[in-house]
Amino acid sequence: DAGVIQSPRHEVTEMGQEVTLRCKPISGHNSLFWYRQTMMRGLELLIYFNNNVPIDDSGMPEDRFSAKMPNASFSTLKIQPSEPRDSAVYFCASSLLLLAGGQETQYFGPGTRLLVL
Amino acid sequence: TQLLEQSPQFLSIQEGENLTVYCNSSSVFSSLQWYRQEPGEGPVLLVTVVTGGEVKKLKRLTFQFGDARKDSSLHITAAQPGDTGLYLCAGDDYKLSFGAGTTVTVRA
Repeated sequence: DAGVIQSPRHEVTEMGQEVTLRCKPISGHNSLFWYRQTMMRGLELLIYFNNNVPIDDSGMPEDRFSAKMPNASFSTLKIQPSEPRDSAVYFCASSLLLLAGGQETQYFGPGTRLLVL
Repeated sequence: TQLLEQSPQFLSIQEGENLTVYCNSSSVFSSLQWYRQEPGEGPVLLVTVVTGGEVKKLKRLTFQFGDARKDSSLHITAAQPGDTGLYLCAGDDYKLSFGAGTTVTVRA
């Protein structure tokens, strides 16, 4: 299996521009997670989907952030407009949730390193 | 605010030495996971501990879950340069909450 695929791996943009990050989860997985990692705040969960439906978006910092999962094999995280404080590494992870409340293994992608100038 | 506190924040040791990383919380978790992250990559799951007092061994790594399921430790015996990385603990409370991590450097 190719694992979780994220694109682009690196993104440099200017403040105010729209940024779209993409994720392809592992085939057969039914849960998808978007995380943000910074030195100051560590690894934070932004939003997660189960069966393509957003379950918890309480970690989304503000309305400038939005995420979609139109089908089981694709998700996007969009920032519009972007700001310098959004600079971070954004990870996508997927898992197969068999039972509600069960332990699952999350498989992380390689991340997208975003720099907003 | 971090639900999980990891200590130390940084650890640098010589190859062959032992090390212990701690993960503490005031919250009870149904399970706790340990991940290792290498530069430029995503975290990779090492182990999940579920039962209070549980001890799991993964080659030279020993993981322990506290009796009250609020804290955990990771002990590495005879560390090797390949053990270098960021070690993250994560509490499972229907979603994962990660600690800030411990950066471990093992010098050859």
